[in-house]
Parts: sequence; structure tokens; C-alpha cells
Amino acid sequence: NAGVTQTPKFQVLKTGQSMTLQCAQDMNHEYMSWYRQDPGMGLRLIHYSVGAGITDQGEVPNGYNVSRSTTEDFPLRLLSAAPSQTSVYFCASAYGDTEAFFGQGTRLTVV
Amino acid sequence: AQTVTQSQPEMSVQEAETVTLSCTYDTSENNYYLFWYKQPPSRQMILVIRQEAYKQQNATENRFSVNFQKAAKSFSLKISDSQLGDTAMYFCAFMLSIYNQGGKLIFGQGTELSVKP
Repeated sequence: NAGVTQTPKFQVLKTGQSMTLQCAQDMNHEYMSWYRQDPGMGLRLIHYSVGAGITDQGEVPNGYNVSRSTTEDFPLRLLSAAPSQTSVYFCASAYGDTEAFFGQGTRLTVV
Repeated sequence: AQTVTQSQPEMSVQEAETVTLSCTYDTSENNYYLFWYKQPPSRQMILVIRQEAYKQQNATENRFSVNFQKAAKSFSLKISDSQLGDTAMYFCAFMLSIYNQGGKLIFGQGTELSVKP
């Protein structure tokens, strides 16, 4: 049982490049979400999904796209990377009102 | 909108001592959950303790306990007999207990705790 798996763990991008952060969970959780962690700001919600085919914006969605074609996968796409998107990104999944389970995070640097 | 505030960016405690981390929140809702997550240097987010707002009894997990004051909208974490492995960033988080809000957390800014030998 792997839980929530994020790839890659580290990434360096040039400004303007695009990329996809992968997230997969094997717990059959209905809810999945993406957060970014910045110093002094805690974790902030980027996008959220309540099930396959259903996504919604969080607090800081600009510059990011998501889709959820299966229960297991919830990729986060950076359309045109900017230095302001330098951050640590976390994917999480949850079932009902239980705790959220987090992946190990991706440290992204945009130069 | 809900907000969570942790007013202590950094704290330190001697090994074996007790430390309390503060958290306040703001909401107009009555049904919600509160959490404390621990993030050690490995970056992994680990659930420490969870409190349901409808429960008056404070949650406890071994050396970790909370003081939940619903009227004051306060949710502090007490760590007893601090250990070196408790050194980490601690986040307070809020989640509404309504349909389709599962896993949708609002986090505080975090408190960096150092346990000194």
C-alpha cells in the first residue's frame, strides 16, 4: 500500500517552461487536492477534486490546471512557469471526513 | 471565509519539558474539524491529532493533547515530555464538516519547534 505518491521529488524549470506534477493514490479516496507551501504562509489550496471528472479552484489557482480522469490520479499542470511558482507542492487525498493523507512533496524551483 | 492563525513562528523547549503551541481560527460555521500536523525535516506531513468541533472532550494521543475552546475559537497543542524527535514544523488546520469538503484544509502559518537536549 503506497498511499499517495508524488513525482518528481525535485524539479528545476526555466521561466516559461511547462510541466506536470504527478499524483497517484491507491486508497480509493474520493477527495484529492493540491497545495503549495511557502515560508511563513503555511499550505495553501491550489485545486481540489471531489471525484473523477469534478474539479474546483482553491485559494491560489492562477497558473495551474488540473484534471481528474480516474479516481487514482490527479496531475497538476504548470502552463508557463514563473519564478513566483517556486515552492514546495503537496498532493493529498482523503475519504469522507477523515484525515488527509499527503504525498512526500515536490520542491520546484523556477529560474 | 475561514482563517487559521498561528502567532508563534518559532518556539524552543528543553527535552522532557512541556510546550504549548497556539492556534486560533475564525469561522461562522458550527460543524468542523481541527487538526495538528507535524512536518519534520523529511518534509512528510504527519497527522498528530484531530478534534471534532461537536465533541466537548479534548482529544489526546499519547504525549500530545489539545485544549479546544470553541467559544474562543482556540485550539492549542500541548506536547508533554518533549523528545528530540518532536523537532519539526507544526501546522494547525481547519476543515468544514459539510458535504464535499473532505480533505479541503485551511492551514495556519506554522510554528517551528526545536527541542533542545
